[in-house]
Amino acid sequence: NAGVMQNPRHLVRRRGQEARLRCSPMKGHSHVYWYRQLPEEGLKFMVYLQKENIIDESGMPKERFSAEFPKEGPSILRIQQVVRGDSAAYFCASSFGTGGPETQYFGPGTRLLVL
Amino acid sequence: KNEVEQSPQNLTAQEGEFITINCSYSVGISALHWLQQHPGGGIVSLFMLSSGKKKHGRLIATINIQEKHSSLHITASHPRDSAVYICAVKWETSGSRLTFGEGTQLTVNP
Repeated sequence: NAGVMQNPRHLVRRRGQEARLRCSPMKGHSHVYWYRQLPEEGLKFMVYLQKENIIDESGMPKERFSAEFPKEGPSILRIQQVVRGDSAAYFCASSFGTGGPETQYFGPGTRLLVL
Repeated sequence: KNEVEQSPQNLTAQEGEFITINCSYSVGISALHWLQQHPGGGIVSLFMLSSGKKKHGRLIATINIQEKHSSLHITASHPRDSAVYICAVKWETSGSRLTFGEGTQLTVNP
């Protein structure tokens, strides 16, 4: 029973390029959360998605960032025209989506470095 | 403002010591999570609590809803317990999003 998978684990981009981060939730999980951890800072919520729906994107920067969770395939966090300040660890978590409080299972993270 | 505060920020202990990490939050929650982040960066969910106490091996988590406070205890600490321990809450009014404390860096020396 594989856990939450994220790829790539490490991603290097030059300023202005696009970064695509992928997250495959645990089997049976239909809810996905994206969190960002800036260097020397705590984790911050970005976006919460269910299959084909964005439920809460209140933590997403207004520009350049987007997320999707299609009916088939992984969830994608997309960062356009990356800047040095986007360098961070991006974690994905998933849960069953029972409607009540439940454990979120975290992936290993993608470390993005913008040169 | 909804806030989560952890103490201490850093904690150094000798192997075998009993360890307590504290978490306080500002308003009502529906659940509180304790997470462990290893030096390599991976995050493991240790507990989810909405009341009372939970125990898993040498780890114990308690929560007092009235006082808006939770503690994570580690008995008979070991160097492999060295990690960052993070408290995260799900506010009653914020759906499923988690708000995180800044974390407690624990170092257990042999």
